[in-house]
Parts: sequence; C-alpha cells; structure tokens
Amino acid sequence: KQEVTQIPAALSVPEGENLVLNCSFTDSAIYNLQWFRQDPGKGLTSLLLIQSSQREQTSGRLNASLDKSSGRSTLYIAASQPGDSATYLCAVRQDSNYQLIWGAGTKLIIKP
Amino acid sequence: NAGVTQTPKFRILKIGQSMTLQCAQDMNHNYMYWYRQDPGMGLKLIYYSVGAGITDKGEVPNGYNVSRSTTEDFPLRLELAAPSQTSVYFCASSYGRQRGVGTEAFFGQGTRLTVV
Repeated sequence: KQEVTQIPAALSVPEGENLVLNCSFTDSAIYNLQWFRQDPGKGLTSLLLIQSSQREQTSGRLNASLDKSSGRSTLYIAASQPGDSATYLCAVRQDSNYQLIWGAGTKLIIKP
Repeated sequence: NAGVTQTPKFRILKIGQSMTLQCAQDMNHNYMYWYRQDPGMGLKLIYYSVGAGITDKGEVPNGYNVSRSTTEDFPLRLELAAPSQTSVYFCASSYGRQRGVGTEAFFGQGTRLTVV
C-alpha cells in the first residue's frame, strides 16, 4: 500500500532563506507527483506537477525534483517571503489505479 | 475561468440531518473526486468518478453517496449526518490517463462542515 510522508510537519524560517520541503513515498510505481499549496480556510492550489519520467520542474522561485528509485521528492523554495507561509502538500498519483495518495503536509511559516 | 466550484462554503448540520454538497467543473474533465480533510491529516478519498454515469468508492465511503449524471456535476450526499463527518470537504477534477501526460488535478475551495 502506497504511503506518503512529509517531513517536517512544521517549519519556521526567517525571510530570505532558501529552504527544502521533503516528500517520500513507499511505492515507486507512480504516474506523477504533484505539489500543492493550501492557505488557511482555502482550497488547494497546484504548484508543480512532475511526470514519472521527469527529474524536475521549475516555476519562478519554486523547483521540485523527483527521484523515483529512492521514493523521494523535494520542493525547493528560493529567497522565501512571508507570502510563502502556507501548508504545502504533496500527492502521488499511483500508476496502478490512478488514485492520488496524500502526505499530511508541511506547515511553513516565514518570519519577516 | 471558473474551474471547480463548490457550494456551500460553510454548513452546520444537526445529527441525523441530510444535505448535498454541490460540485461543478467547466474544464470538461472526465475524472472527478471527493475528498475529506481532517485536521493534521492528508486528504482521504471518499468517492470518485471516471465519467458520467460511473462512480466508485474510495478509501472512506461510508455515510456518503454520489451520482454523476453529467460531465460537469458531481454532488456528494450525506444521508444521516454524524459528528464523525465533521471535516473539510474538497471536490477535484482532472483528465484521465488516456489524455496522456499532464494530468493535473484542480480543486474547489472546500466546504467546511460541522455536525453537532
């Protein structure tokens, strides 16, 4: 059974720092992996999607990498800003049944 | 672009009451999903649909029902509300595997439901 883990559960850093959020999964047979952002009381906003054949995707200050063989993905945020404060979720879409399996998220706080 | 639209945003139900959460998407996605999110937990799949007229159970279907009469709409029905159904509910949609790569999932804003 696929399990997705995000560590740490919470992270607080000063503004301007570069940071890395981690996502690990137990079954490497994935179709793709997607990173989302969730603001309090709001829905989920898609940040980056990485296909199983890709190694990384970039959007602005965000870079997501994927290492299927080791069951890991990282989300790199460059030059963090207070507006980046949110919960970041990763979801793995399984190759077998096309379902999304979710991590519990990392709550990120960027201090001004 | 409207994307995925959920209504209502908030609702308080008494134990035993029923309600329907509405979800509509305008992206012509064939796949639609209902998730619930409990505090500090990942999203759990309740039901999903791969196209009009086709629905299937997810991980936590008990106490819920769905229907998919059109491509656009995927309502979620709670028949006899229980306190355990207090949660935030999200509807989502995507293209299916047959579309090839780029099957990004899009989400609605969520419905915060409290059962008292």
